[in-house]
Amino acid sequence: AQSVAQPEDQVNVAEGNPLTVKCTYSVSGNPYLFWYVQYPNRGLQFLLKYITGDNLVKGSYGFEAEFNKSQTSFHLKKPSALVSDSALYFCAVRVHDKIIFGKGTRLHILP
Amino acid sequence: EAGVTQFPSHSVIEKGQTVTLRCDPISGHDNLYWYRRVMGKEIKFLLHFVKESKQDESGMPNNRFLAERTGGTYSTLKVQPAELEDSGVYFCASSHRGLNTEAFFGQGTRLTVV
Repeated sequence: AQSVAQPEDQVNVAEGNPLTVKCTYSVSGNPYLFWYVQYPNRGLQFLLKYITGDNLVKGSYGFEAEFNKSQTSFHLKKPSALVSDSALYFCAVRVHDKIIFGKGTRLHILP
Repeated sequence: EAGVTQFPSHSVIEKGQTVTLRCDPISGHDNLYWYRRVMGKEIKFLLHFVKESKQDESGMPNNRFLAERTGGTYSTLKVQPAELEDSGVYFCASSHRGLNTEAFFGQGTRLTVV
């Protein structure tokens, strides 16, 4: 079955430190992978996507994600976290034109 | 360019009542999706329209839920009669066709059934 897993419910990072939010996927065929962010009382905002090409994808707000085919992972990263990065992050995969989401990871950036 | 808009932003109804949620997608987007997130759980797919046709409605919980997209523009999702377990945030999203396109989401409708 096609699925996306986010193993961490919550990630805490000190401001200025690098952050990683983990995502693994299980799909047949080529994966089309996405990261979305949800700030309080807002809808989901698109951050970045991997379709093909370079394994390191750069997106909005200084975020990037690394596609690793052998590990079936698509971890979200940022070199230096900001307090304003605190939000709920969702990894997603597109399968037959349907988008399947992980359960989300709450990111807390501590001042 | 206007984004995806949803109305209402909040709705509180009693069990047994009817509620209709509306979604206006981005103009020109053939794909329209409905999702639901119950507190603390994953974002669950409900259904997918391509223009006015239902492409996939495998996520619809039961026949109390009815979605329409007349004319291939805006969509409505009606819950009749509402039950307590229908509470959650209902998101609408739209996109161009193609597996490599991202979807754009509305702010969601928070439905509370009491």
